[in-house]
Amino acid sequence: EVQLVQSGAEVKKPGESLRISCQGSGFFFSSYWIGWVRQVPGKGLEWMGITFPRESNTKYSPAFEGRVTISVETTIDTLYLQWNSLKASDTAIYYCARRGLNYYGVDVWGQGTTVTVSS
Amino acid sequence: ETVMTQSPVTLSVSPGERVTLSCRASQSVSRDVVWYQQKPGQTPRLLIYGASTRAFGIPARFSASGSGTEFTLTISSLQSEDLTVYYCQQYNNWPWTFGQGTKVEIK
Repeated sequence: EVQLVQSGAEVKKPGESLRISCQGSGFFFSSYWIGWVRQVPGKGLEWMGITFPRESNTKYSPAFEGRVTISVETTIDTLYLQWNSLKASDTAIYYCARRGLNYYGVDVWGQGTTVTVSS
Repeated sequence: ETVMTQSPVTLSVSPGERVTLSCRASQSVSRDVVWYQQKPGQTPRLLIYGASTRAFGIPARFSASGSGTEFTLTISSLQSEDLTVYYCQQYNNWPWTFGQGTKVEIK
């Protein structure tokens, strides 16, 4: 079965660091564009960044560049999203998302990781 | 950054009605638009890619059209399971951007 499985919910304080993960299975992970999409509760969707693991090619949305780091460990088919210093405004659901092989829509989503940042 | 604006924000309809959702891009995005459906507590579901191609398994009552800056998603005969939120998204230029969503609710 093709799937993306994300790490569990996190509760953090402002200023803390965090790394969440997304592990792929059932497909050739390195051959797909895979990225992160943020959804603030009750709000819309935002692309944060996307990467092509086989070529180590990563693009960041300007709104998130410098705030987060996207990385990949291809040996375990896992994508990461990392913050060095969280803010309350980072409270959201974070989805990893696989772009289709021959089209640009997301055909596989992770189940989402809820990150809550509160003092 | 290309801003995608969806209208209306909320659409009140009756089951069986024909529903049309609109999406406007702040600059031309050719036909590089996808549509998603998102139900509460679920991940988005791809409905349409390339502005008008239904994704695998999507019922024929969903159709879409458009190019340049104007796009539409049509549900030919609304079913109760279609009452939820719909998003358009452009992928013509990075960052890919979503519209703010249209909520389809019961009248």
